Amino acid sequence: QVHLVESGGGLVKPGGSLRLSCAASGFTFSDYYMSWIRQAPGKGLEWVSYISSSGTTKYYADFVKGRFTISRDNAKNSLYLQMNSLRAEDTAVYSCARPSGRDLDFFDHWGQGTLVTVSS
Amino acid sequence: SYVLTQPPSVSVAPGKTARITCGGNNIGSKSVHWYQQKPGQAPVVVIYYNSDRPSGIPERFSGSNSGNTATLTISRVEVGDEADYYCQVWDSSSDWVFGGGTTLTVL
Repeated sequence: QVHLVESGGGLVKPGGSLRLSCAASGFTFSDYYMSWIRQAPGKGLEWVSYISSSGTTKYYADFVKGRFTISRDNAKNSLYLQMNSLRAEDTAVYSCARPSGRDLDFFDHWGQGTLVTVSS
Repeated sequence: SYVLTQPPSVSVAPGKTARITCGGNNIGSKSVHWYQQKPGQAPVVVIYYNSDRPSGIPERFSGSNSGNTATLTISRVEVGDEADYYCQVWDSSSDWVFGGGTTLTVL
């Protein structure tokens, strides 16, 4: 079955950087687009970024543009999120999720997430 | 940007019917998807494309979408249905958009 496991979260100071990873298994990773979605403590879900199956197309939410970079390594079945210039408001659980459907417009599998805390 | 509005909370007695709404401008023209998230767990899609149900999701879960409101209906509610529920659409100007979430409490 599909399995998505995130890692790399932790405590970082404002302005700092962090790299998140998502290990995928149970499906042909290279065939699927992937996304990062976050959830601040006690808050709702917020889409962050998306990458095509080949890695050539990438989209970002406005609030992370220029600071976050999504990437993937299909040989390693892994998805990444490089997070730079972190702010307190970036504190959240970050989950990788697989877009699905005829227009890739919903997410059929999610990881449990990794917590990123931005604080001095 | 496109905004989805959900009530913060809905309460229902066991065995009754819960209805969770999701409001958006002309949302009836979009495909709405619903997720269930229990504490400490990843979200699970319970309804996609307004009314389709993934395998493994009980028939008690159903969805509808018309005008400016989409609705997730849970019939014969069970204690195990207590969770946060999120609606979601894809919008060309906002990409993937989520509602603020509704906490379902089974009294």
